[in-house]
Amino acid sequence: GENVGLHLPTLSVQEGDNSIINCAYSNSASDYFIWYKQESGKGPQFIIDIRSNMDKRQGQRVTVLLNKTVKHLSLQIAATQPGDSAVYFCAENRDDKIIFGKGTRLHILP
Amino acid sequence: NAGVTQTPKFRILKIGQSMTLQCAQDMNHNYMYWYRQDPGMGLKLIYYSVGAGITDKGEVPNGYNVSRSTTEDFPLRLELAAPSQTSVYFCASYDSSSGTYEQYFGPGTRLTVT
Repeated sequence: GENVGLHLPTLSVQEGDNSIINCAYSNSASDYFIWYKQESGKGPQFIIDIRSNMDKRQGQRVTVLLNKTVKHLSLQIAATQPGDSAVYFCAENRDDKIIFGKGTRLHILP
Repeated sequence: NAGVTQTPKFRILKIGQSMTLQCAQDMNHNYMYWYRQDPGMGLKLIYYSVGAGITDKGEVPNGYNVSRSTTEDFPLRLELAAPSQTSVYFCASYDSSSGTYEQYFGPGTRLTVT
């Protein structure tokens, strides 16, 4: 992952709808992927992770999908709530280095 | 548990000054990380450590130094502060024996270099 541009992409979702946040990664050798949530003024918070030998993992209201063929990761949030408003980052583990991708700002519409 | 603590919360430095950002964790985690986050951007890995006495460079190590003499502490040193080091610095830790890569982050140190 790499940071590009000056502004984070924004996803606006109606409250109650499902959110899908996407992430592309660059290194096919990465063996573990993690999603983080960062609220304004705070450090990132772990949401869910997935090993590279899996293609789907579910948590509470969240699902992570991994497509190794196209090096793509997605985070699905079911029934989006106002408290889900934050910046979401994907990260990958490469030889003990946990490298963050560019984030996506999730904006919840009332 | 206090988790991951960072001091100071805020600091303003003049160009050329030095300082140490402190990070401590009380969870007995073996892995610790330093990241910087520029406004509106993602986190960049500066240095990391897989255990006491072992440190290694991340994506953006230039201008920084670290040490890991104990499991608990992982200070980050800026020797000659430059305006490009204005950023929010986050320390994180995790337990590699837990089976997950769940990092715990500190609250951050907001540094301004003028």
